[in-house]
Amino acid sequence: EVQLVESGGGLVQPGGSLRLSCAASGFTFSSYSMNWVRQAPGKGLEWVSYISSSSSTIYYADSVKGRFTISRDNAKNSLYLQMNSLRDEDTAVYYCARDKVVVAWGQGTLVTVSS
Amino acid sequence: EIVMTQSPATLSVSPGERATLSCRASQSVSSNLAWYQQKPGQAPRLLIYGASTRATGIPARFSGSGSGTEFTLTISSLQSEDFAVYYCQQYNNWPTFGQGTKLEIK
Repeated sequence: EVQLVESGGGLVQPGGSLRLSCAASGFTFSSYSMNWVRQAPGKGLEWVSYISSSSSTIYYADSVKGRFTISRDNAKNSLYLQMNSLRDEDTAVYYCARDKVVVAWGQGTLVTVSS
Repeated sequence: EIVMTQSPATLSVSPGERATLSCRASQSVSSNLAWYQQKPGQAPRLLIYGASTRATGIPARFSGSGSGTEFTLTISSLQSEDFAVYYCQQYNNWPTFGQGTKLEIK
């Protein structure tokens, strides 16, 4: 069974940092591109970042470019999102998602940016 | 960035009736279009990809059509479990979502 389990969310002050992790199991992690997708409370879905299977290609939404860094460790079957200079508008549930057509989603981890 | 626009924002339909949801892309995305269903407190669920191919386990009452810039999701006979929010997503290049259509019980 494919599983994606996010962790690392929480409450952080504006300007602070958080590192999200996603542990993958049930499939060959190194064969798939991975993504972070977020959803602000009561709002729609926003694609945040993409990383190819070998980490050779990385994309960021303009809203997070220069502040967030996506990475992966294929040996550990893990995906990461380093979030710096956090803003109020980064408050959202962050989902780990496999591939551009997303069959497999994590359960999400809530990031709250507030003073 | 390709902008996806869904209409209507809210659709009120009675159980057993047909629902038609629309999605428009700001430029052609060919058939690189997916539809997702999301219920409160849950992650989205993939319904349709390639504009018209049902994902594994998705009932036949869900169908997708269109190509280029105009797409439609049709639910032929609404069941109680179908009332949710629906998102279209293009993956022709950097993926983007529509703002969603809330399908509610009339």
